[in-house]
Amino acid sequence: GQNIDQPTEMTATEGAIVQINCTYQTSGFNGLFWYQQHAGEAPTFLSYNVLDGLEEKGRFSSFLSRSKGYSYLLLKELQMKDSASYLCAVRGDDYKLSFGAGTTVTVRA
Amino acid sequence: DARVTQTPRDKVTEMGQEVTMRCQPILGHNTVFWYRQTMMQGLELLAYFRNRAPLDDSGMPKDRFSAEMPDATLATLKIQPSEPRDSAVYFCASGLAGSGYTFGSGTRLTVV
Repeated sequence: GQNIDQPTEMTATEGAIVQINCTYQTSGFNGLFWYQQHAGEAPTFLSYNVLDGLEEKGRFSSFLSRSKGYSYLLLKELQMKDSASYLCAVRGDDYKLSFGAGTTVTVRA
Repeated sequence: DARVTQTPRDKVTEMGQEVTMRCQPILGHNTVFWYRQTMMQGLELLAYFRNRAPLDDSGMPKDRFSAEMPDATLATLKIQPSEPRDSAVYFCASGLAGSGYTFGSGTRLTVV
């Protein structure tokens, strides 16, 4: 099975940078995903890492270390609209996608 | 933009009634998931299909829940009989191996 840990809450100031860490223990690995979910809405796909290293997409970047079972999502130049829950998810060899509990990020002016 | 379509958007039903939720995955996507989300439990995987074949439904209470994919354009999740503890938002997601999965808007179920 999968065991996925991420912090419950984080607070940051508009314009700042926030890093959300995710650690996982898995019986098989076939990719790590980050999703954003605003209150009352569906999760939306942000990034996907299957190899070690950093993937950059505009203000958002995601890093993966498979040997350490570790990933982070980096949000730069924070905007008020970035206040949301950020979900780390791991896909196993069986293509099952399991989610962490999510990190609620609050951006303050 | 292609999207995953779920119906109904909201459903209020009485305890003991049957509930059927439907999902139309994005055309060409071969993997379909059903998740349930509550404040307490977060996103729980109920069942998933690959090329319409059920791969794992161990997250579902088998005595009352059933998931099917009668064809490539339709996935269904049925609860019979429904109970108040089933109240949650149910999401369908679809995708391809090697890419991200797209979620539908969800069905908000309230069982009274």
